[in-house]
Amino acid sequence: DAGVTQSPTHLIKTRGQHVTLRCSPISGHKSVSWYQQVLGQGPQFIFQYYEKEERGRGNFPDRFSARQFPNYSSELNVNALLLGDSALYLCASSLETGANSRNTIYFGEGSWLTVV
Amino acid sequence: AQKITQTQPGMFVQEKEAVTLDCTYDTSDPSYGLFWYKQPSSGEMIFLIYQGSYDQQNATEGRYSLNFQKARKSANLVISASQLGDSAMYFCAMGLNTGFQKLVFGTGTRLLVSP
Repeated sequence: DAGVTQSPTHLIKTRGQHVTLRCSPISGHKSVSWYQQVLGQGPQFIFQYYEKEERGRGNFPDRFSARQFPNYSSELNVNALLLGDSALYLCASSLETGANSRNTIYFGEGSWLTVV
Repeated sequence: AQKITQTQPGMFVQEKEAVTLDCTYDTSDPSYGLFWYKQPSSGEMIFLIYQGSYDQQNATEGRYSLNFQKARKSANLVISASQLGDSAMYFCAMGLNTGFQKLVFGTGTRLLVSP
């Protein structure tokens, strides 16, 4: 079975541009979360979507938005890119929401975004 | 609010030896889960092991085991019989067992396994 897949794997954008990152969860998984990992730090939570509804939002500006589609895939959009948005963006999926033994959270390989 | 602390920026171990990576956590919520992930240089976060706050026994997954001491709020990862391929960043994370799924991560420990 395919794991969590993300695209693109690497991209370079200019300050002020917009970027869309995509994520396909593991088949059957209904929860998708997005994390930002700046170099040298642990991942920081951005959004969680479950059954196509936003369940949680981290401490990120309104330039960050996301949505989940009927097939449970998800997009993360970032507007007006800043140099500080350069990071690895990780998508995670799980069967349900919550952190319990029946609900292992799996991550994709991430999208490396460089803003110049 | 939840917090994860990993105090070891880097650890060295020889091949075939065991190593313990430390993790302490803080939360006032009684129902939570603790995760360990491995992150190679490629970036993917690879799930290793999970421990629930109400689990009576320490979790084990192959060469990985979790030394869970609830009173001390620690959840240390033990890797037995280290292999060269174990060299990577290791992250401890916590999530609450609620209708909202947010993992809080530590700063990670870089493990280097030498021949």
